[in-house]
Amino acid sequence: DGGITQSPKYLFRKEGQNVTLSCEQNLNHDAMYWYRQDPGQGLRLIYYSQIVNDFQKGDIAEGYSVSREKKESFPLTVTSAQKNPTAFYLCASSLFPENTEAFFGQGTRLTVV
Amino acid sequence: KQEVTQIPAALSVPEGENLVLNCSFTDSAIYNLQWFRQDPGKGLTSLLLIQSSQREQTSGRLNASLDKSSGRSTLYIAASQPGDSATYLCAVNIRDYGGSQGNLIFGKGTKLSVKP
Repeated sequence: DGGITQSPKYLFRKEGQNVTLSCEQNLNHDAMYWYRQDPGQGLRLIYYSQIVNDFQKGDIAEGYSVSREKKESFPLTVTSAQKNPTAFYLCASSLFPENTEAFFGQGTRLTVV
Repeated sequence: KQEVTQIPAALSVPEGENLVLNCSFTDSAIYNLQWFRQDPGKGLTSLLLIQSSQREQTSGRLNASLDKSSGRSTLYIAASQPGDSATYLCAVNIRDYGGSQGNLIFGKGTKLSVKP
């Protein structure tokens, strides 16, 4: 089945740790996105990538890093510099950045312990 | 900067009622508008995609309209059911992107509750 897979579903991070959230798609999409969702704030863009080996910062990129070495993969690292990382993280993809339908994974809930 | 607004933030209706969810956007330079559904603790599920040249799209009991010139879209749900309870989000795919806003701009959603 084609789709977007995010893992893990739940992730716990200790203070000062870096953690990496996985996002894989087998839809052959060029564009991929990471969003953060907090209660009452809607979706906020962290990073997006229009093509392999290229990515742009979103509105809340501080404390996060990404890579796009393969078309199907867009991992997100939450670094220790992110002071309030507890949130629900969503990955999405679309065939091209323009004019196409976006599809989402099932999300990763990150909690700081 | 494109802004997307959804009104109301929350809506509660009895089962069987027809209802309309609203989405407005400030810049008409869009490629398309997409409606999503989100269940608690889950990802977003795409419901309907309307291209900028289209006026409406239908899928089952759902009908979405787009008036690009006035910056408005509506999602009409016919004969609502308790299983329709979820948060509904709209997003516009903007033409002028490359900055920190990206190309997909989301509203904050309308939380729908359909009572049996």
